[in-house]
Amino acid sequence: AQKITQTQPGMFVQEKEAVTLDCTYDTSDQSYGLFWYKQPSSGEMIFLIYQGSYDEQNATEGRYSLNFQKARKSTNLVISASQLGDSAMYFCAMREFYAGGTSYGKLTFGQGTILTVHP
Amino acid sequence: DVKVTQSSRYLVKRTGEKVFLECVQDMDHENMFWYRQDPGLGLRLIYFSYDVKMKEKGDIPEGYSVSREKKERFSLILESASTNQTSMYLCASSSANRTAGSGANVLTFGAGSRLTVL
Repeated sequence: AQKITQTQPGMFVQEKEAVTLDCTYDTSDQSYGLFWYKQPSSGEMIFLIYQGSYDEQNATEGRYSLNFQKARKSTNLVISASQLGDSAMYFCAMREFYAGGTSYGKLTFGQGTILTVHP
Repeated sequence: DVKVTQSSRYLVKRTGEKVFLECVQDMDHENMFWYRQDPGLGLRLIYFSYDVKMKEKGDIPEGYSVSREKKERFSLILESASTNQTSMYLCASSSANRTAGSGANVLTFGAGSRLTVL
């Protein structure tokens, strides 16, 4: 079963508008972490934002914020005031913590969403 | 300021060749990972290592092996390359195991190695 699902292969947004990228996940663990990475056309993976399953508040980092709905197992990325440089592939990923509460740190990734920002 | 370095950005190999992809990190990280990225499939974990000489299979280890003789270096080996191994390969590293609630412990990625097998 797919653990991380990004249902939007591609999204378009006008410059300066906000956009939401969807991500749902599947886990039976109570402790887990959720990540978003950006991959521009150059190929490097850039970490954007993190949400821990026990975090009470939605994570925010500058223009990036997460709409974390634990009961629905979704963690949507909101990018406010889009810029042309936001055009990239965006990946959602999850880290599960195993029995005993430790993790080797590996991430499971979704399929990705290509975001295109129009001027 | 490069932290995770992958030795080759682009490689072209022939079917049946043995291929080595090298990855070096300078952050003294305990964990290292090899992923492959394919369109529509995202990143899939091939192998990871949490200590020198230690390795664990990921989700798609078939056709690959790894070597970690030194803490900073993690090599991916294709013993006999096949065309279905044409892909982008991404190496990453992170700090040692963390407990739940101890923060992000972000994976830092290299620039990637695009392998074409003819």
